[in-house]
Amino acid sequence: NAGVTQTPKFQVLKTGQSMTLQCAQDMNHEYMSWYRQDPGMGLRLIHYSVGAGITDQGEVPNGYNVSRSTTEDFPLRLLSAAPSQTSVYFCASSSSPGGYNEQFFGPGTRLTVL
Amino acid sequence: AQRVTQPEKLLSVFKGAPVELKCNYSYSGSPELFWYVQYSRQRLQLLLRHISRESIKGFTADLNKGETSFHLKKPFAQEEDSAMYYCALRGPGNQFYFGTGTSLTVIP
Repeated sequence: NAGVTQTPKFQVLKTGQSMTLQCAQDMNHEYMSWYRQDPGMGLRLIHYSVGAGITDQGEVPNGYNVSRSTTEDFPLRLLSAAPSQTSVYFCASSSSPGGYNEQFFGPGTRLTVL
Repeated sequence: AQRVTQPEKLLSVFKGAPVELKCNYSYSGSPELFWYVQYSRQRLQLLLRHISRESIKGFTADLNKGETSFHLKKPFAQEEDSAMYYCALRGPGNQFYFGTGTSLTVIP
């Protein structure tokens, strides 16, 4: 199993550009989520999904869109990048919303918006 | 509102000394608490969860509902324990709330 994979590892964008951060998992997990990690802020939840076709907003959703057309993939879209979106982005998955199921994290994508 | 507080951004201890990483939470329901760790150049991974009452790599954490705390402890720190540690709370809708993290350095 590859676990949770993210592409790209690094990305530099100009203000106003759009891009999609890819996330995939091969563990047949229902629950997937996106976080951003900023110095002094910890990890903050952007969007999450409890299954294919179902998404919801987390703590900091503004400026980001998500979709979940398959169980495996959960892309994060930045429609018009802003310098405030410079961050490290982590995707995570777990087997189900309930219980004490562990979240598995991807390696992260480091995004810089100029 | 759900909140997780880790008051120490940086913590340094000598090898062999006890270590305690503090975590306090705010949650109106019955909390589900976790400790995650991120070693250098590795991805974030689960260290332990309070429901399991387990000891992982010598670390333990006890949930104290009266003090709303979930401090992580290890009696004898090792150099390989140097890492970033995050306390996390699972809230409604399976949303996770992470603390700001504590960077632990174990001095040889």
